[in-house]
Amino acid sequence: GAVVSQHPSRVICKSGTSVKIECRSLDFQATTMFWYRQFPKQSLMLMATSNEGSKATYEQGVEKDKFLINHASLTLSTLTVTSAHPEDSSFYICSARAGGNPRGRARTGELFFGEGSRLTVL
Amino acid sequence: QKEVEQDPGPLSVPEGAIVSLNCTYSNSAFQYFMWYRQYSRKGPELLMYTYSSGNKEDGRFTAQVDKSSKYISLFIRDSQPSDSATYLCAMSEFITQGGSEKLVFGKGTKLTVNP
Repeated sequence: GAVVSQHPSRVICKSGTSVKIECRSLDFQATTMFWYRQFPKQSLMLMATSNEGSKATYEQGVEKDKFLINHASLTLSTLTVTSAHPEDSSFYICSARAGGNPRGRARTGELFFGEGSRLTVL
Repeated sequence: QKEVEQDPGPLSVPEGAIVSLNCTYSNSAFQYFMWYRQYSRKGPELLMYTYSSGNKEDGRFTAQVDKSSKYISLFIRDSQPSDSATYLCAMSEFITQGGSEKLVFGKGTKLTVNP
C-alpha cells in the first residue's frame, strides 16, 4: 500500500478561493518533504522543500505567499494555494524522505511520492 | 539547454519487445540517476536507482549510466501491457540522509505496450 498519502486527490474550486492539500507519511517520520507541480506533458517541477519545524525553502519563481507550506509534524506537510487562479490548475505531488526506524517497506533515506492532487480552478 | 532532456514520445511497441528509454543531461555534477514510472493520474513510483556510471539490472529492467556522454538509459525486456505508463528519468547532485535533495526530472516518455 501507499506509504505517502495525499488528500484530496482531486479538487475543483472557484477562482479566488484557497485550497489546502495534505501530504502524510504513513509508515515513517519525514523530516523533509518536497512539493512538486506537474503540468500536462511537462516535467515534475520542484516548488519547495518543506522541513519539519522550520520555514520551507522555495525554488526560484515560486511565490511563497501564494503557496503556503506548513510542515507542522514529522508526518504531515500541507500546501495551501491561496487566491487560486485558473493558471494554478495543475497536478501537485508531494514526496517524503523516510527518517530513522521506519515501519513497513520504507527504508531510511528512501524517497516516496504521494498519489498526487489534481487542482482545477474555474 | 535544459538540464535534462527526454523524448516525450509517445512510444508504442508490441508485447514482448525490448524497450529503450533515454535521457541526456548537461549538469556534470549529477551523481544519482533514477527512473520513475507514472501511471495516469498517479504519483511517480521509483523503478531503478543508480549511482555514478555503470549498469544495474532488476528483473526485466536494466538501467545504464554513461557519465562521459551524459546519457542514461532504461531497457525493458519482454515488455508487457502492464508496463504501459509514462517513464520519467530524474537526477540529483547529491542525496544526504535527512538533508535536502533537488531532483531534476525529464518530461517523461509515454510508453504503450500493445497485446
